[in-house]
Amino acid sequence: GAGVSQTPSNKVTEKGKYVELRCDPISGHTALYWYRQSLGQGPEFLIYFQGTGAADDSGLPNDRFFAVRPEGSVSTLKIQRTERGDSAVYLCASSTGQYGGAFFGQGTRLTVV
Amino acid sequence: AQSVTQLDSQVPVFEEAPVELRCNYSSSVSVYLFWYVQYPNQGLQLLLKYLSGSTLVKGINGFEAEFNKSQTSFHLRKPSVHISDTAEYFCAVSASGGSYIPTFGRGTSLIVHP
Repeated sequence: GAGVSQTPSNKVTEKGKYVELRCDPISGHTALYWYRQSLGQGPEFLIYFQGTGAADDSGLPNDRFFAVRPEGSVSTLKIQRTERGDSAVYLCASSTGQYGGAFFGQGTRLTVV
Repeated sequence: AQSVTQLDSQVPVFEEAPVELRCNYSSSVSVYLFWYVQYPNQGLQLLLKYLSGSTLVKGINGFEAEFNKSQTSFHLRKPSVHISDTAEYFCAVSASGGSYIPTFGRGTSLIVHP
């Protein structure tokens, strides 16, 4: 596709359940970022991939959060034992890795009930 | 580490009036600077960026921003706003070199009244 694609666009889950959020970056983009945006706040960095490896995961809030990018393209953000405080919009972005600016997807709105 | 402060959470303005959205940053290294716009229920779209060179950068939709190193600022301006400019605007900074991970401010809500 032409842009960054995130699925699902909306996800409602019960507290304690496991969820997976998918990001399909722009073709050829080696850098991929995950952010979390709460209501009224700016995007908060979670994790950065360069190729297949997580180059910086310092933003992951705790060990319930994990992300993979096994083939250097699609990435999945995984959240175990979800809590109501995990409710937010999860944003994915990609770039060429040489800085010109990151391109963002539409986001996945996660609601934990 | 870098940080961004957007001084105004909300800026109301009348259509066709000029507007300035303020952004200050903090960093111990050289930086790249960005402004993104987020329309309701949409993703973030890059408005403009400063990487190097001229301190006055022009972006899409008639917006421009000026990098001021001595004041560590990167304010966004538009000489005449339209109703369609109503959106959330985010300033972001990243270290020049390394992972380029952008750090975002809290955002400024621009509200354009007819």
